[in-house]
Amino acid sequence: EPEVTQTPSHQVTQMGQEVILRCVPISNHLYFYWYRQILGQKVEFLVSFYNNEISEKSEIFDDQFSVERPDGSNFTLKIRSTKLEDSAMYFCASSDTTDTQYFGPGTRLTVL
Amino acid sequence: AQSVTQLGSHVSVSEGALVLLRCNYSSSVPPYLFWYVQYPNQGLQLLLKYTSAATLVKGINGFEAEFKKSETSFHLTKPSAHMSDAAEYFCAVSVGTGRRALTFGSGTRLQVQP
Repeated sequence: EPEVTQTPSHQVTQMGQEVILRCVPISNHLYFYWYRQILGQKVEFLVSFYNNEISEKSEIFDDQFSVERPDGSNFTLKIRSTKLEDSAMYFCASSDTTDTQYFGPGTRLTVL
Repeated sequence: AQSVTQLGSHVSVSEGALVLLRCNYSSSVPPYLFWYVQYPNQGLQLLLKYTSAATLVKGINGFEAEFKKSETSFHLTKPSAHMSDAAEYFCAVSVGTGRRALTFGSGTRLQVQP
């Protein structure tokens, strides 16, 4: 069964550094998402992406964040200058024309 | 804006007992409702969804949920718990379509005792 994959599974970085989290959505899906879950808190929506542009974003998704679909298979989340509070599990999801979002296993980002 | 409340951050049941995980939502427009399960060190897996068709929704692994508009609830049930059901369960809501942003509840960790 096709699934969303994410790399790396765990990323450790220093405060102020840039990180790029990578996702490979399910191949025929057109809608892509990033969510995050800070330890002990709810899963929170960050951004959705369709037709090569952001379709929806939350207040969390400020100028420090950006998303890109650099080729036909990858979907990336970039954090330009990481802060301690960016430490979280980041989930990528994708959807086709049905009403279901399929989630990847997540990348745990630790900012030191 | 929509929101989800999951009552009970931890629920413990005996193997073979009824599982009931509670979810209440708030939405000014007809909602799309979802239950996801997360096993340790894994991503979120869809259990079932409500998209304005039948109010009783059956999902995978014997789970089902009933949409009750009058109670703004979407509780998850399973008649007989299995040890493999131990996981964290998340209720989520979106509006318009299921492709819009999901708003999640805080999750309920289900323990199944032998």
